[in-house]
Amino acid sequence: RKEVEQDPGPFNVPEGATVAFNCTYSNSASQSFFWYRQDCRKEPKLLMSVYSSGNEDGRFTAQLNRASQYISLLIRDSKLSDSATYLCVVNRRRGSTLGRLYFGRGTQLTVWP
Amino acid sequence: GAGVSQTPSNKVTEKGKYVELRCDPISGHTALYWYRQSLGQGPEFLIYFQGTGAADDSGLPNDRFFAVRPEGSVSTLKIQRTERGDSAVYLCASSLSTAGGPGNEQFFGPGTRLTVL
Repeated sequence: RKEVEQDPGPFNVPEGATVAFNCTYSNSASQSFFWYRQDCRKEPKLLMSVYSSGNEDGRFTAQLNRASQYISLLIRDSKLSDSATYLCVVNRRRGSTLGRLYFGRGTQLTVWP
Repeated sequence: GAGVSQTPSNKVTEKGKYVELRCDPISGHTALYWYRQSLGQGPEFLIYFQGTGAADDSGLPNDRFFAVRPEGSVSTLKIQRTERGDSAVYLCASSLSTAGGPGNEQFFGPGTRLTVL
């Protein structure tokens, strides 16, 4: 079973729509959770970190459910510029450090005018 | 400030050749990570360094892959006897430390696109 699973999409939504992405992780020892955004042929860029049960930043809300090992990302009032691939990422402790990241395969979003 | 930089941005080589990929982390970041990403997949971990030492190299696929970070800053990923299956984007990331928590997130460079013919 993969460490992080997410629906690859694609999601195609009109401008102004609300869209939600879901992600599950397999290891209950996972401690840190992130959403990265990746544009075509570019590097992943950190969108949000989730260190407690949730985080909100403008139009973006991330929620974490540790009991269900589930993370979500909600985007409200979608913009054309939100079109990208959204990567669900987890991190867990190895000894005294948090090192490698585990990535989902990404969910592709296209926002159309 | 300057982000993570990687050179070259593109590398085309022939099967069996040796390649070196370079990463220059964000100044002051003690941890450096290498990942590779194939088309349609998320990045997969290769190795990470805390300072000069490799703290976890469990993601290196085989002994053709090796990485160094001799002075605790720049790192080089070395691939011997390249194979067509090595073709991918090689991403480097750095973080302030491996302590986790706010301020210790990983930031990625633009990647090196390796094509093995």
